[in-house]
Amino acid sequence: DAKTTQPNSMESNEEEPVHLPCNHSTISGTDYIHWYRQLPSQGPEYVIHGLTSNVNNRMASLAIAEDRKSSTLILHRATLRDAAVYYCILRYSGANSKLTFGKGITLSVRP
Amino acid sequence: ETGVTQSPTHLIKTRGQQVTLRCSSQSGHNTVSWYQQALGQGPQFIFQYYREEENGRGNFPPRFSGLQFPNYSSELNVNALELDDSALYLCASSLRLNTGELFFGEGSRLTVL
Repeated sequence: DAKTTQPNSMESNEEEPVHLPCNHSTISGTDYIHWYRQLPSQGPEYVIHGLTSNVNNRMASLAIAEDRKSSTLILHRATLRDAAVYYCILRYSGANSKLTFGKGITLSVRP
Repeated sequence: ETGVTQSPTHLIKTRGQQVTLRCSSQSGHNTVSWYQQALGQGPQFIFQYYREEENGRGNFPPRFSGLQFPNYSSELNVNALELDDSALYLCASSLRLNTGELFFGEGSRLTVL
């Protein structure tokens, strides 16, 4: 499985944008980039995913580098509820696909 | 709320015992997968079921087994429990196989003494 590299932790201020980076230099052409987050005492929650183009949804934006070797999850206005562990995951789009989680990045949000 | 429910939420077993964890998938989802999450770690893939057949397995021994029923609910069975099996067990369902988002339950916390 292709691997991702994320910083261990990041701090942000409430109501400010947050940019969470992810490196995936060994990504293959059939790998989608997925982001999930896990709030304390809850199961992971889907955030967003993409293949080549930047993606937006109600939760976040995903910016994907042109060579696809890195990506950035953007939370446009952080809230206290966004404090969580964020996982950047490469998911193979073929048979027996699964999510391979790393340790993720722990986001803290200051009031 | 995702609609994926797991039971029990917490349980304590002793080494050597067997455990069954249950998962009710989100309505209409025919694919279910199970993950193990040790404290401080990301979830690790155990296996996936699609239309009652196992469809992919992670690096877990055969004493970890599963079932998916016609209504797409699912069970995870672990035999001969070991201390290292203490973890949060997460069930996730999805609408389609190998694509799309996964909807996770809140997990079953297993403690093995």
